[in-house]
Amino acid sequence: DGGITQSPKYLFRKEGQNVTLSCEQNLNHDAMYWYRQDPGQGLRLIYYSQIVNDFQKGDIAEGYSVSREKKESFPLTVTSAQKNPTAFYLCASRPTQEGSNQPQHFGDGTRLSIL
Amino acid sequence: AQKITQTQPGMFVQEKEAVTLDCTYDTSDQSYGLFWYKQPSSGEMIFLIYQGSYDEQNATEGRYSLNFQKARKSANLVISASQLGDSAMYFCAMREGYNTNAGKSTFGDGTTLTVKP
Repeated sequence: DGGITQSPKYLFRKEGQNVTLSCEQNLNHDAMYWYRQDPGQGLRLIYYSQIVNDFQKGDIAEGYSVSREKKESFPLTVTSAQKNPTAFYLCASRPTQEGSNQPQHFGDGTRLSIL
Repeated sequence: AQKITQTQPGMFVQEKEAVTLDCTYDTSDQSYGLFWYKQPSSGEMIFLIYQGSYDEQNATEGRYSLNFQKARKSANLVISASQLGDSAMYFCAMREGYNTNAGKSTFGDGTTLTVKP
């Protein structure tokens, strides 16, 4: 079955540490996205990528970095500059060639906490 | 800048009854798409229904329908015959650029729906 796989499901970060969240999709989608969700709130866009080797900042990119070296992979690094990283992180993808009415497909998320 | 407002933080509905979840949006674009997603307590996001700004008819998908009032900039989700499994958080989202593939979406803060037996 095609889908989006996020790992790990739970992640703990120590002070001053960078951590990387994995996102892999086998849906052959061009566009991929990272969102942050705080408790009881909506999704806020961190970074997005519409094509390999290209990505743009979203609304809350500070303290995060991404790469898009392969179509199927879009890892997110939470750097030590992100002072409040505790949140639920969702990765999504979308087929851009089929028109803008296509919904995003989401992974199951990663819960990140500070130790 | 685009903005989505969901004014109901929490809603209750009796099993088998219908419920309407409100969503209003703000955009200066003529072309846009509106989406509703469901997020159960497990956290995954499930796509429910889509409405394009140029669609003349309200979208329907099974028990879900969208009450689209373009002049009022509202896109309310109607769930008919509520089931216990409908208890979840519901998000309204908008993507600007109907004919482009820009792909950025803005999400509302969500409405938590609880279905009572």
